[in-house]
Amino acid sequence: EPEVTQTPSHQVTQMGQEVILRCVPISNHLYFYWYRQILGQKVEFLVSFYNNEISEKSEIFDDQFSVERPDGSNFTLKIRSTKLEDSAMYFCASSEGPGFGNTEAFFGQGTRLTVV
Amino acid sequence: AQRVTQPEKLLSVFKGAPVELKCNYSYSGSPELFWYVQYSRQRLQLLLRHISRESIKGFTADLNKGETSFHLKKPFAQEEDSAMYYCALNTYRTDKLIFGTGTRLQVFP
Repeated sequence: EPEVTQTPSHQVTQMGQEVILRCVPISNHLYFYWYRQILGQKVEFLVSFYNNEISEKSEIFDDQFSVERPDGSNFTLKIRSTKLEDSAMYFCASSEGPGFGNTEAFFGQGTRLTVV
Repeated sequence: AQRVTQPEKLLSVFKGAPVELKCNYSYSGSPELFWYVQYSRQRLQLLLRHISRESIKGFTADLNKGETSFHLKKPFAQEEDSAMYYCALNTYRTDKLIFGTGTRLQVFP
């Protein structure tokens, strides 16, 4: 069964450093998402991406964050100048279509980011 | 603001007992509601969605617009149901899911 794959599974970085979290969505999917979950808190939407551009983003997704699909298969989340409060589990997801009424979002296993 | 509330962090039952995981939402429009499940060391996966009106692994959930609720129920819990359960809301013309804080279901033998 096709899966969304995320690398690395765990990333430790120093405060102020840049990190890139990588995701390989399911191959025929067109919509891509990043969510995060700070320990003990809810899963929060960060951004959705379609047709090589951001379709929606949350207030969390500020100038520190960026996404791109550099090569048609990978979908990356870049966090510039990481802060301690960026420590979280980051989930990538993909879906065939928009919204979720008639389509399903498939989630990756997550990347745990620890900022020290 | 749109919001999903799952009031219980932990629900513990014995095998064979009925289970109800509560979910309430706040949204003035017509919602799309989902239950996602995360088994230990596995990824988030869709369990069921309200528009499908289906039963998955014995679980059902009915949207009650009057009470703004979408509680997840199962008449007889199994040990393999032990997992984290998240209720999620999708609103009109958006691509995002709004999640609740999740309820951990523990089913004891």
